[in-house]
Formats: sequence, C-alpha cells, structure tokens
Amino acid sequence: DAGITQSPRYKITETGRQVTLMCHQTWSHSYMFWYRQDLGHGLRLIYYSAAADITDKGEVPDGYVVSRSKTENFPLTLESATRSQTSVYFCASSERVGGSYEQYFGPGTRLTVT
Amino acid sequence: GQQVMQIPQYQHVQEGEDFTTYCNSSTTLSNIQWYKQRPGGHPVFLIQLVKSGEVKKQKRLTFQFGEAKKNSSLHITATQTTDVGTYFCAVAYNFNKFYFGSGTKLNVKP
Repeated sequence: DAGITQSPRYKITETGRQVTLMCHQTWSHSYMFWYRQDLGHGLRLIYYSAAADITDKGEVPDGYVVSRSKTENFPLTLESATRSQTSVYFCASSERVGGSYEQYFGPGTRLTVT
Repeated sequence: GQQVMQIPQYQHVQEGEDFTTYCNSSTTLSNIQWYKQRPGGHPVFLIQLVKSGEVKKQKRLTFQFGEAKKNSSLHITATQTTDVGTYFCAVAYNFNKFYFGSGTKLNVKP
C-alpha cells in the first residue's frame, strides 16, 4: 500500500532550468493538490485538480504548470526555475467521504534553485 | 494573502503544561481542518469541524469551532514530548481551494 509518493525527494537545479516534480497516488482519489511550504508562510496552494483533465489555480500559481492526464498522477513543472521557487513542495490527495475531505500528504520534495 | 490568521507562531512549554493554538477568520467558514506536522515530516490530518459551536476530543486534544464559525482552537492537555511539531488549521473558501494558517510550532521540554 504505497499511498501517495513524490519524486524526487531532493533536487538541486540551476536558475532557468525546467524541473518536473512527480506525484503518484494509489487510492484513486479524485482530488489532488500541490503546495509549497516556506518558513513563515505555512502551506500555500499552487494548483489543484478535481479529476483527470480538470485543474485550477491556487494561491500562488505563477511560474508553475500542472497536468493530470491520469487520475493517479499529478506532475508539477517549473518552466524556468527561479531562486524564489526554492522550497519544500508537498503533493496531497483527497476524496469526499460524506462531508469530510481530509487531505493525505506525500513526503515532500525539497527543491533548491541555485 | 492569508485567509486565516493563526496564533501564536511559537509556543514553548514544559512537559505536562497545556497548549492552545487559535485560528481566526474575518469571514464565516463552512468548515475548518486541523493538521499536525512533525519536524522533517509531512502534514497529517487530525480533524474536521463543521458545525457551529462544535467540540471534538481526541484523547488529550480538544478542538472547538466558534459559534459564529469564524474561529477555532486546538487545546492539548498535559503536553508530552510526542506532541512536538507544528499545528496548522486549514480552511476552504471555495470547494477544495484550501488556505492554511501559518502554523503554531510547539516545543515541549522534558
């Protein structure tokens, strides 16, 4: 039972490079989310998806692109990485059960942009 | 900007003391969630509150949702070293568009 996994766990890249962070969940949850976590800001929503081929912007979407061709995968791409995108990125999934939609988080990807 | 304010930012307690963190919103909330993140870990769901004035307990943890549904609190009775971590509240103003509070980092001295 893998649950929700992220890869890579650590990544160092240079300014201007394209980077893709992967997220995979095995529960067939409808909803998936990408967050970034920076000191003093808590978790901020980048993008979310309600189902395959349905995505929408969150609080801080600029500089990021997402896709969701399959229910279980939700990759996040930084088209041209900047130092300000150095952060810890968390993927999460959720399914509505009754009125509850608790989010299950992956282990995170620590990205450093030099 | 942040949709929900969380205080305090840090709390240092002696083991056995109580701890409380608060989340406040300027608008009425449909529900609020609470998460715990251990150092170096990922957020883990604790609970969701939906009803006005709701109080829920999980062992030493007590969660409250205000009567006006604009604030919430998490209270830990008799803290233990296993309670160390950062506690976040999260609200969804639009369906599935979540905003997290900035978190309260709890340190417990043995």
